Amino acid sequence: AQTVTQSQPEMSVQEAETVTLSCTYDTSENNYYLFWYKQPPSRQMILVIRQEAYKQQNATENRFPVNFQKAAKSFSLKISDSQLGDTAMYFCAFLGLISNFGNEKLTFGTGTRLTIIP
Amino acid sequence: EAQVTQNPRYLITVTGKKLTVTCSQNMNHEYMSWYRQDPGLGLRQIYYSMNVEVTDKGDVPEGYKVSRKEKRNFPLILESPSPNQTSLYFCASSQTSGAAYEQYFGPGTRLTVT
Repeated sequence: AQTVTQSQPEMSVQEAETVTLSCTYDTSENNYYLFWYKQPPSRQMILVIRQEAYKQQNATENRFPVNFQKAAKSFSLKISDSQLGDTAMYFCAFLGLISNFGNEKLTFGTGTRLTIIP
Repeated sequence: EAQVTQNPRYLITVTGKKLTVTCSQNMNHEYMSWYRQDPGLGLRQIYYSMNVEVTDKGDVPEGYKVSRKEKRNFPLILESPSPNQTSLYFCASSQTSGAAYEQYFGPGTRLTVT
């Protein structure tokens, strides 16, 4: 079974600083997707960025580039020039394409609560 | 506007009183799923449906039922709720091909069972 580990339960940084959220995962599959979701106080789940495992190039979305290290099974999210609106819970999630037999189940980590300090 | 809706958004109930949380999507998605979110555990899948009349268990199905009679709706049924089902529930949907597996989440339903 796949597992996703987020080892930083809470983090806080000053506004405008850069912060990196860590995520590691365990799988025997070669073809899969990885996601970062943001959950602000409104509780809505918002997709931040998606990475396809067979693409070596790191995905990037405005201020949110990822560092995808397939061999190390690591998928970290970097938030540059952090803003107060970035305060949220961040979840890393894994989607395996083979072992789930068509179930598009996301396996989530336990989340990192990020606070941006004014 | 493409969206997933859930109702109710908040619900407080008592042990044993049957309840249904509705989920509806307007994107013609084949795949729909229910998750529950608990502190320190992230989100875990309860049930999923790959199309109309096709449903199956996720990781934590005990105490829940679902049905998929129409493509757009996927209600979650708690026949006899218990306090350990107090949680935040999310419905999600996605197109099963060509959309890079992006799942759209509903706004969540906060359920408290006393």
